[in-house]
Formats: sequence, structure tokens, C-alpha cells
Amino acid sequence: DAGITQSPRHKVTETGTPVTLRCHQTENHRYMYWYRQDPGHGLRLIHYSYGVKDTDKGEVSDGYSVSRSKTEDFLLTLESATSSQTSVYFCAISDGQGGYTFGSGTRLTVV
Amino acid sequence: RKEVEQDPGPFNVPEGATVAFNCTYSNSASQSFFWYRQDCRKEPKLLMSVYSSGNEDGRFTAQLNRASQYISLLIRDSKLSDSATYLCVVNYNFNKFYFGSGTKLNVKP
Repeated sequence: DAGITQSPRHKVTETGTPVTLRCHQTENHRYMYWYRQDPGHGLRLIHYSYGVKDTDKGEVSDGYSVSRSKTEDFLLTLESATSSQTSVYFCAISDGQGGYTFGSGTRLTVV
Repeated sequence: RKEVEQDPGPFNVPEGATVAFNCTYSNSASQSFFWYRQDCRKEPKLLMSVYSSGNEDGRFTAQLNRASQYISLLIRDSKLSDSATYLCVVNYNFNKFYFGSGTKLNVKP
């Protein structure tokens, strides 16, 4: 019942390289979100989208950019990866009526 | 100050016990409330919404206290499979949701 998928599931990258994470949904939901989850901080919102080409910043947006050219895809780019961006990244979708549905997550390690 | 605060636990309880978690939120304009469950190394999944009148789903009961700005989750007759981290979630800003850091529950045989 994977209405939302994230890719890749795991990635190791070097400091200073750009990285793009992909979130794909088949639910036709308007809202899409990128979160990162770190011990002691819980889930923190990076960026979100409320429609095609409509995006806004969350609480921890520095060093990240997003794009949404189609309803089903929401891309998160780390422009120049740093070790502090080592984290688990979750994409989520919402139809605006209730809670979120999360993707399975991407474990990113920046070495 | 964090938008949503939870006791991180862990709460270690025997099977069959009743356990309760509280969560406080800072914004009195909060509109909707949820409890999510997250298993180790998995994504969070919606457990239940929390309504003003309180609501129950099997062994789980959620309550909202707007005056004191907290929500609670009560689990009765705990099962081993209830072991997880429980996340409190609050929404007050145009479909942006604020997550607590989670309360870890360990149910032991």
C-alpha cells in the first residue's frame, strides 16, 4: 500500500557534494513535506509544498532546497552536504483533512 | 521553548499494565492533535486523532485539555507489541504539523 515512496533508502556521500533525495506519491495529495529526524530533536520540518511550484521554508531550511514540478514528486537537494546533515530524512504527504502519511525514510550519511 | 514537549521516557511497564503519556503544547491557537507511533528505524504512523470530547480506539484513549494545553494517551492492558516511541503532534499553522520528540515505551513480559 506504498502510496508514498522515497529514494534512495540509504546513501553515503562526501562532504561538499550535492545530494538529491526524491519523494514520489500516488495519492494526488496537495501537500508534501520534508522532515529530518535526529536523536533529541524529534522530527523537524525542512521545507514543504502546498502545490506544484509552491513551496515554503520550515524551521531548519538552511542548506536545503526543494522543487516540485509535478504533483507526485517532491525533491530535496542538499546543495553542499555537511556532516551536520547526516540524518534520517522523511517525506510526508497530506490531503489537508487529517494527519500525515510518511515515506519509509532515507538514511543519509555525510563523511 | 519547543512547540510540543514530551517526557522522553523510557516507560518500562509489564504486560497488562495501564500506562499514560502526556504532551504539552505552547500555542493556544492549536487546531488539531494527533498521536503517532514510531517503531525502531521505521517511519511514524498515525495512531489516532485527538478530539475535544476525547476518543477511544480499543485499548487506546486520547484526551485533550485545551485549558491546560496538553493531550494525553492512555494504553490499557499493554501488549509486548505496544513497545514503540509515541509522538505527540499538534497543528496550528496552515497544515504544518509540530512534533514532540517522542516518549519511548518498553512493555516487558
